[in-house]
This record gives sequence, structure tokens and C-alpha cells, in this order.
Amino acid sequence: AQSVTQLGSHVSVSEGALVLLRCNYSSSVPPYLFWYVQYPNQGLQLLLKYTSAATLVKGINGFEAEFKKSETSFHLTKPSAHMSDAAEYFCAVSRSSGSARQLTFGSGTQLTVLP
Amino acid sequence: EAGVAQSPRYKIIEKRQSVAFWCNPISGHATLYWYQQILGQGPKLLIQFQNNGVVDDSQLPKDRFSAERLKGVDSTLKIQPAKLEDSAVYLCASSEQLGQGARNEQFFGPGTRLTVL
Repeated sequence: AQSVTQLGSHVSVSEGALVLLRCNYSSSVPPYLFWYVQYPNQGLQLLLKYTSAATLVKGINGFEAEFKKSETSFHLTKPSAHMSDAAEYFCAVSRSSGSARQLTFGSGTQLTVLP
Repeated sequence: EAGVAQSPRYKIIEKRQSVAFWCNPISGHATLYWYQQILGQGPKLLIQFQNNGVVDDSQLPKDRFSAERLKGVDSTLKIQPAKLEDSAVYLCASSEQLGQGARNEQFFGPGTRLTVL
């Protein structure tokens, strides 16, 4: 079984400040890990994914995440926040093997960017 | 490339009524998923199709929810009768054929927001 814990349901940062959204996972098999962003009244858009290649993953809109097996973490970062980054962010895990490849999502982190 | 289409975008019904949602996946995507996203929570998988067959429906409340994908393309999700706790956003997603490694990225539609009064 897999699960994801996102620490902090709400995070506020000033424009230009570092963004850090935390995600810890639990998986009985090597995981695939994902970060999705959801803007109001829209579906989920993939930011980046880890699929057992490089542990530092770069995504769209300047975001990146680092897979740390020893810490079972996959935290999302961006060096400088922009007003347009305000949205809800979801971390998700899936199995790296097997036919189902289902996603299990965390409960989300709402990011507010202050001017 | 056209994305995942869903309709309607919004629906308001009274409890005990029936409702149906429609999803058209990305062309050529064999796998289709329905998720329920309750306010303040992450999406929860309800059912997964591979072509027109069900891969997993273990979290679908089968006493009131049903879903079909008869021709392996479009899908409908139905709730009959609806309860207050069914108020949520219903998301449809699609991905390429299972077994293609990391290319099983899921692409999400805009969702249908259901309000049950």
C-alpha cells in the first residue's frame, strides 16, 4: 500500500521568496512520485515526476523536487515565488511496477503568494 | 492536441435525485480514470478502465454509483440516488496504454462540480 503526507495545508510566501512544499511518502515498493498543481475551477496539471532516474527532477514553471529515499521525501521547491504560483499543490505516489499504476494523492497544500 | 473533455461543468441537484457525468479522454488513450475530490481533500480514485474493461472499482460505492465505457472511448459516471455527501468535484483522467513505463502520465479534465442539496 502507498500513502502520501503533505505537511501544511496552507503555505504563504512573499513574492520573490523561496517556495517549499513538503511531501513524505510511504510505499512498499519503489515508487513513482508526482507533483500536480490545481488552479481554481480547473483540473490537475502535472508539474514534475520522479520515475527512478535522476533524484533531482526539474519541472515546469521553475519548480523542482528532490527524491530522498533515506527521508522518504519528495519536497517541491521554487527559488522565487511569483503571484501566478498561487494555487493548490498535490503530491501523489504510484507503484513503479504492476498493471494498475494508480495514483494516491495527498490532501493538498494551498499556496498563497503575498505581494 | 485536445485535452480531456468533461460535461457538465457544474450540476446542482437535490438528494435522492440521479445525475450523470460524461468524459471524453484524449484520443488514443486506452486507460480512463474517474476520481472524486471532496472539498479540502486530494482526489480519490473511484474506478479505472482499460479500454472498455474495468481494472479496479474497489473504491466505487456500487450501491449508488455506476460507470461504463462501452466502446472503449467515452465514459459516463452515474449516481443514483445522490446523497449530500456526494457533493464534490468529479475528475476524469486518461493515460496511454498501461505497461509503457513512465509514459503512464495521467492527463486530467476540468472536472464536474456537483452540489447535492
